[in-house]
This record gives sequence, C-alpha cells and structure tokens, in this order.
Amino acid sequence: EADIYQTPRYLVIGTGKKITLECSQTMGHDKMYWYQQDPGMELHLIHYSYGVNSTEKGDLSSESTVSRIRTEHFPLTLESARPSHTSQYLCASSRDNYEQYFGPGTRLTVT
Amino acid sequence: TQLLEQSPQFLSIQEGENLTVYCNSSSVFSSLQWYRQEPGEGPVLLVTVVTGGEVKKLKRLTFQFGDARKDSSLHITAAQPGDTGLYLCAGARRGTYKYIFGTGTRLKVLA
Repeated sequence: EADIYQTPRYLVIGTGKKITLECSQTMGHDKMYWYQQDPGMELHLIHYSYGVNSTEKGDLSSESTVSRIRTEHFPLTLESARPSHTSQYLCASSRDNYEQYFGPGTRLTVT
Repeated sequence: TQLLEQSPQFLSIQEGENLTVYCNSSSVFSSLQWYRQEPGEGPVLLVTVVTGGEVKKLKRLTFQFGDARKDSSLHITAAQPGDTGLYLCAGARRGTYKYIFGTGTRLKVLA
C-alpha cells in the first residue's frame, strides 16, 4: 500500500490568493512528481524532482513553483491563484522506472 | 512530442462481457504501466510490463506489451460493475524517470 499523502483534499479560494499544496511520502522515494488533471482526462506532468534540491519543469507549462528541501516533502505553490488554475493536482513518487504511487489528489477551485 | 493514444475513449458494456483497451505510440518505452482511477482519487497501479511481448495476468485482467515496446493492450474477461473507472496507460521514457500518460479510457460496466 502506497504511503503518499496530499493536503488539503479540497480547496476553494478566491482569485489572487497564495496557496500551497502539500505532498508527503514515507517510502523514501527519490523521485517525485506533480501532475495536473481535468476531470476524466489524461494527466499532464507539471513538475518533477529526482532528489533533494533538484526540481524541473514538466511538459505542461505551469505558473506554479515547487521545492524539494527534504526527500519526503514536495510542496507546490501558486503565488496568485486564478480561475484558470482550477483543476485536480496529483502528487506521485517512484523509486525506479517501473511504477509510480499516487496521492489522493487536491481538487482546487479558484473563484 | 511523444503521445500515447488510447482507444476506445469511452466504453459502456453489460456485466459479463469481454473488452479490450488499446494504448498505442510511435515511440519506444522502457516500461509501460496500467492504472485505474476512480472519481476524486489518484490512479492506482495495476501492472507494469517491461519486456517486449510480455503478457501478465491479474485475475480477470490480461495485459500485453507489444514486441517493439510501442504499444500495449488490456483485456478484461467477464467485466463486473466493480471494473468501472478510468483506465490509463503510462510509458516511461527511455533514459529518464519521466512518464507520459495516455489519453484514458472511461469504462462503465452496467449490472
């Protein structure tokens, strides 16, 4: 069973607010990822990290930023939320090239 | 740009029927995973295939990786309502730990 956690699960926030989505894993995985997904659609990679102090942008351009100060923690921050940021954000981790473990996701709504 | 196309996009069948979902690409992947996702949750890994031509079985689900490692299929025998969900394939890009996700197949099994 995967031990990867995301908080909050749901967030409704007004335009212009700063938000941080939390993601933590207890499996000691080096690699962590953030994906954006609209309901029932494919996942798009927006950020990834191969280890502490390593972060890269993914395939889908995003105004969000990430940090990786500790192996287990990979938070995502939006400095100024906009309605176009409304989506589901999924965090995942992996040890190798054969599987990813996903958190339950954060459904963000920006009004 | 690497793409993973899944077909069909939507599938609604009666309980007890068989079905096959396809995942196709023009690119070679070092491994390919299949996930199932329920509304409001993160994807859950079903299987990983690594070797060209590999076939794996998980109860009523049979997964096959194409000989050239560019495509895969998922076959469900005697579908049950509990199989309902979004099925996603994901390929691990060669030389990286990044994954590209397929366009998804939404399956609904009617009792």
